[in-house]
Amino acid sequence: RKEVEQDPGPFNVPEGATVAFNCTYSNSASQSFFWYRQDCRKEPKLLMSVYSSGNEDGRFTAQLNRASQYISLLIRDSKLSDSATYLCVVAETGTYKYIFGTGTRLKVLA
Amino acid sequence: DTAVSQTPKYLVTQMGNDKSIKCEQNLGHDTMYWYKQDSKKFLKIMFSYNNKELIINETVPNRFSPKSPDKAHLNLHINSLELGDSAVYFCASSLLQDYNEQFFGPGTRLTVL
Repeated sequence: RKEVEQDPGPFNVPEGATVAFNCTYSNSASQSFFWYRQDCRKEPKLLMSVYSSGNEDGRFTAQLNRASQYISLLIRDSKLSDSATYLCVVAETGTYKYIFGTGTRLKVLA
Repeated sequence: DTAVSQTPKYLVTQMGNDKSIKCEQNLGHDTMYWYKQDSKKFLKIMFSYNNKELIINETVPNRFSPKSPDKAHLNLHINSLELGDSAVYFCASSLLQDYNEQFFGPGTRLTVL
């Protein structure tokens, strides 16, 4: 089993749609969780951290379920500019390693 | 001002050559990383340095040797390049404590012919 797994997509959605991505991780001792965004031929950039109680940043909502070892990202009212690859990232306790998922590709269509 | 910079941006070279990629960060971070992103877009940690000390060394061929002259710089030297080394190499930096956000450089696209 991969350490961090994501559905690669692509998810093709119309503008204004709501879309959700899930990510599962294998190490129950993982400490910190993030969603990064990577545009084509660019570097990854932090979208948001994921907190245990769930958190929201504008149209983006992140949730963490430690019992089931998954993280989710919900995007409401999708914009064309949301088209990108979304990377789930898990930081392992004590090793300082950030484990990246393979990413989920989103295409928002006009 | 660029926070994390890498040079060169593109590198095309022949098999068997030796090449270096340089990385610099002006964020005052104490930890720097090298990642490799292959053709399937999988981003994998290679090395990490904290205050010039190696703290992560993944299963990477010993043809790859990182060097950190100071905490703002982390360079990657690759000997005897192979076709499979073709990838995008990203440098990143962060504050070590509390698993903070990582800031990535723009990447170096290495093509080995």
